[in-house]
Amino acid sequence: QVQLQESGPGLVKPSQTLSLTCTVSGGSISSDNYSWSWIRQPAGKGLEWIGRIHISGSTTYNPSLKSRLIISVDTSKNQFSLKLSSVTATDTAVYYCASEAIVVVPPAMDYYSYMDVWGKGTTVTVSS
Amino acid sequence: SYELTQPPSVSVSPGQTARITCSGDALSKQYAYWYQQKPGQAPVVIIYKDSDRPSGIPERFSGSSSGTTVTLTISGVQAEDEADYYCQSADRSGTYVIFGGGTKLTVL
Repeated sequence: QVQLQESGPGLVKPSQTLSLTCTVSGGSISSDNYSWSWIRQPAGKGLEWIGRIHISGSTTYNPSLKSRLIISVDTSKNQFSLKLSSVTATDTAVYYCASEAIVVVPPAMDYYSYMDVWGKGTTVTVSS
Repeated sequence: SYELTQPPSVSVSPGQTARITCSGDALSKQYAYWYQQKPGQAPVVIIYKDSDRPSGIPERFSGSSSGTTVTLTISGVQAEDEADYYCQSADRSGTYVIFGGGTKLTVL
């Protein structure tokens, strides 16, 4: 069973860059059957999808965050990372990483995907 | 922008049936997924592809779809089912992940 663990600073100053890493264990980040996503949740609020990366190198970002966001993968460490620049207090949230299972549906080879395993989450506060 | 709409709260007595709806235009084209989140914990998928249940999820959880609305049904609600429930789908192109606003289920 795949497990994910987020890590990174719990406090970031405004205008700086928030950097988080997700370590994948029990499975390979190089699997073609998964993408790797980041999701966040401000205290007392709902879930917001941030973006994903696939081992092919393809990335998809939430349009509302795209200009500030970079998601990358390090296959040698079985990790993927998030960098969010120019942060403000509104970026304060619990940040989750998740594996996004990709299921291909024959015969049309269409597909669907969903977050099947989540990390426990890490709290990031943006404050001076 | 694409949105998924859920009721903010649903209340039910133990043993009764709870139904949580999620509506959005793209649901007529994209599958829906449901996640359960208990306080201080990460979400857990309980329904995928509108109505399929991952292994280990109790049979009292079921999902259905009709047009632009999907429904999570919890039959014989138990106290441990008290949690926040989120629907999730994708935009019409299937590119972007969208979450509903979440529904707080209270077991009276």
